[in-house]
Amino acid sequence: KQEVTQIPAALSVPEGENLVLNCSFTDSAIYNLQWFRQDPGKGLTSLLLIQSSQREQTSGRLNASLDKSSGRSTLYIAASQPGDSATYLCAGETDSWGKLQFGAGTQVVVTP
Amino acid sequence: NAGVTQTPKFHILKIGQSMTLQCTQDMNHNYMYWYRQDPGMGLKLIYYSVGAGITDKGEVPNGYNVSRSTTEDFPLRLELAAPSQTSVYFCASSYSSDQPQHFGDGTRLSIL
Repeated sequence: KQEVTQIPAALSVPEGENLVLNCSFTDSAIYNLQWFRQDPGKGLTSLLLIQSSQREQTSGRLNASLDKSSGRSTLYIAASQPGDSATYLCAGETDSWGKLQFGAGTQVVVTP
Repeated sequence: NAGVTQTPKFHILKIGQSMTLQCTQDMNHNYMYWYRQDPGMGLKLIYYSVGAGITDKGEVPNGYNVSRSTTEDFPLRLELAAPSQTSVYFCASSYSSDQPQHFGDGTRLSIL
């Protein structure tokens, strides 16, 4: 069974610093990996999806990498802003039906 | 753009009662999913569907049922509600298994 872990559980950084969020998974036979953002009381918003044949994806200030052999994915957020404060979740796709196994998330606070 | 709509947003249910959580999407997505999120935890998959008339169990299906009579709707039924089913329920959809999942804002359900 795929296990997904996110460490740390919470992170606080001053505005302008780069954010590095880690995600590890136990089964390297992962299909795709997705990163989501969740604001309090809201649903999840998809940030980046890395397909199993890719090693990274980029969107604006966000960059996510995937290393299946080591069972790790990293989300980089450049030049953080207070609006980046949220919980970030990673999820690995466990089969071809799109079933996701989620980590518990990293709660990020960016202070002005 | 409505996206994924869930109703109700909040509900309190008594132990032993039944109810249906509604989910509808207007993006003509084939794949739909139901997750639950407990405090401080990642999301866990309850049921999923890959098209009208096709449903299957996820990681935590006990106590729940689903149906998919149309592409747009994917209701989740709770029978004989138990306190352990107190949670936030999220519905999600995607065009295919390798496309990002779009989430609704969730239904916050308390069972007392």
